[in-house]
Amino acid sequence: EADIYQTPRYLVIGTGKKITLECSQTMGHDKMYWYQQDPGMELHLIHYSYGVNSTEKGDLSSESTVSRIRTEHFPLTLESARPSHTSQYLCASSEWGLSGSGNTIYFGEGSWLTVV
Amino acid sequence: GNSVTQMEGPVTLSEEAFLTINCTYTATGYPSLFWYVQYPGEGLQLLLKATKADDKGSNKGFEATYRKETTSFHLEKGSVQVSDSAVYFCALSGADSNYQLIWGAGTKLIIKP
Repeated sequence: EADIYQTPRYLVIGTGKKITLECSQTMGHDKMYWYQQDPGMELHLIHYSYGVNSTEKGDLSSESTVSRIRTEHFPLTLESARPSHTSQYLCASSEWGLSGSGNTIYFGEGSWLTVV
Repeated sequence: GNSVTQMEGPVTLSEEAFLTINCTYTATGYPSLFWYVQYPGEGLQLLLKATKADDKGSNKGFEATYRKETTSFHLEKGSVQVSDSAVYFCALSGADSNYQLIWGAGTKLIIKP
C-alpha cells in the first residue's frame, strides 16, 4: 500500500479563485511529481521535485506553481483558476532513481478540480 | 529520445477471454519497464514491472515479458474478469531520460459479462 494522500479529492470552485491542492507522503521519498490527466487519457507531467527546495517544470506547461519546503509535502497552487484548469491532478512520489532500482512511482488517489 | 507506444483503445472483450495489450518502446541502453493500472475514479497503481531483458513481471494473473530484441513489453492475461475493466498504462524509465517515467497514452479495457 502506498502512503500518499491528496486533499481535496473533489472540488468545485469559481473562476478567479485561488486554490491549493495538498499532497503528502509518509514514505520518505525524495522525488515527488504532479501530473494532470483528463479522465482515462494520457498523463502529463506538470511539476516535479528532487527533494527539499527543488522544483522543476514538467513536459506540459502549466499556470500552477509548487513548493517543497518539507520532504513529505508538495502542494500545488493555482493563483487564479479558470475553466481550462478543470481536470484531475495526480500527485506521486518515488525513491531517488538509481540504475536498476525500477523507479516505482506511487500515486495518490487524485484531486478532481472543476472550475465554473 | 525515449518513447512508449501502446495499442489504441478501447479494447472490448467478453469475460474469460484472453487479453493482449501491446506496448513497444524506444530507448537506448536497458530501461526498466512498467505497467500501471487505473481503475475508474482512482489514481494509478503499479501492476507489474521488469528491470532487465527477459525478465517477466507478473501480478493478479497479468504477465509481461521484457523483450529487448523486439523492444516490447506486451501485457497478457489468460482469462479476464469484469473487475479488470480499467485503463492500462505502459511506461519506461532509463538513464537517458534521467530516470523520469515516460508514459504511453493508455489503453482502456472494457470487459463485458
